[in-house]
Amino acid sequence: NIVMTQSPKSMSMSVGERVTLSCKASENVGTYVSWYQQKPEQSPKLLIYGASNRYTGVPDRFTGSGSATDFTLTISSVQAEDLADYHCGQSYSYPLTFGAGTKLELK
Amino acid sequence: EVKLVESGGGLVQPGGSLRLSCATSGFTFTDYYMSWVRQPPGKALEWLGFIRNKANGYTTEYSASVKGRFTISRDNSQSILYLQMNTLRAEDSATYYCARSTGKTAPFAYWGQGTLVTVSA
Repeated sequence: NIVMTQSPKSMSMSVGERVTLSCKASENVGTYVSWYQQKPEQSPKLLIYGASNRYTGVPDRFTGSGSATDFTLTISSVQAEDLADYHCGQSYSYPLTFGAGTKLELK
Repeated sequence: EVKLVESGGGLVQPGGSLRLSCATSGFTFTDYYMSWVRQPPGKALEWLGFIRNKANGYTTEYSASVKGRFTISRDNSQSILYLQMNTLRAEDSATYYCARSTGKTAPFAYWGQGTLVTVSA
């Protein structure tokens, strides 16, 4: 199975700061990586697909990049409503797998 | 408006069975792959499997962790997705989500709100 490793596990940020979240795949997954945002007691919401494509309605402060094994989600200026868990997932091969998530907290 | 609404969760004893449902509306159900994804409290998302769309013969794929115990099916006349879970174990306790995608490599653009399954004596 392809293992998706996210780092850091959690990070404390202040509103307005730039945030970079990492996701590393255990083997080449091309650009078949998506990022999901999950707020407390809610289901995940798609932010980025195909490694770098912003989903409909997602603010442009969210940017995805990377290919092969290294992927990044950047939030250019964190807002209070961005505090959530962020999950990356690969859809290159079965079984589809997700990372353990990064929790974004308010400092 | 696309809607996915899970139901059927609850408390079940180890070794028991449960069937989850995902009622959908707002889109042509037969055009889409439908997946089940679960999340134990405070833990990572885990894809369990999917059932393909009409164009791909409604065939299924499963993760090894549930293959042989869980069965995904769909009622295309009522636009409902099912997850039959047998021989349940404590480690199957989680919130179960249904999710929609356009294909195997496509992202999950729509998710239900989830239904909680607790396996305990």
